[in-house]
Amino acid sequence: SQTIHQWPATLVQPVGSPLSLECTVEGTSNPNLYWYRQAAGRGLQLLFYSVGIGQISSEVPQNLSASRPQDRQFILSSKKLLLSDSGFYLCAWGGARETQYFGPGTRLLVL
Amino acid sequence: RKEVEQDPGPFNVPEGATVAFNCTYSNSASQSFFWYRQDCRKEPKLLMSVYSSGNEDGRFTAQLNRASQYISLLIRDSKLSDSATYLCVVSRRAGKSTFGDGTTLTVKP
Repeated sequence: SQTIHQWPATLVQPVGSPLSLECTVEGTSNPNLYWYRQAAGRGLQLLFYSVGIGQISSEVPQNLSASRPQDRQFILSSKKLLLSDSGFYLCAWGGARETQYFGPGTRLLVL
Repeated sequence: RKEVEQDPGPFNVPEGATVAFNCTYSNSASQSFFWYRQDCRKEPKLLMSVYSSGNEDGRFTAQLNRASQYISLLIRDSKLSDSATYLCVVSRRAGKSTFGDGTTLTVKP
């Protein structure tokens, strides 16, 4: 069966510091991968979408970037965090018929 | 206008009640529809896909009305464990899914 991992679970970072969040998927090959952000009490905002190694689509212009160095690895990065980057970051892989399955998420607090 | 809109909630119901949530979408090119459940401070989990013919999974029934561009979720015989936020998701294609802001349900004893 497929499993998706994210780490860390919680992160507190100062404004201006860099960020690297990692997501890995097991049990499937060449999955579509997604990064979302959820603000408190709100729905999910799609940040990045990838159909394969090195293929990234950005949905929202911001100071975040994503990379897919391996088939089942998806990384979310920032060179300098802003206060507005705080939120719940979720990685997902795409199953059949656009279903999506989420990892446990990372709660990021930028101070 | 948001692409996907849900009942604002919150819904507070007693155990055993029947509760219904609606979700409207604006893009007529939408192809796939889903309901997700999200517990507090957890990731969303797929509850059920929504098909044109309607579909049922135990106490849960989902329906799609393409003409009026809305989907619904009906929960019968509510349990305490049904307390969660329910997210409506509409997808045009892979990579083009839009999530609603969610409707919070609290089932009370």
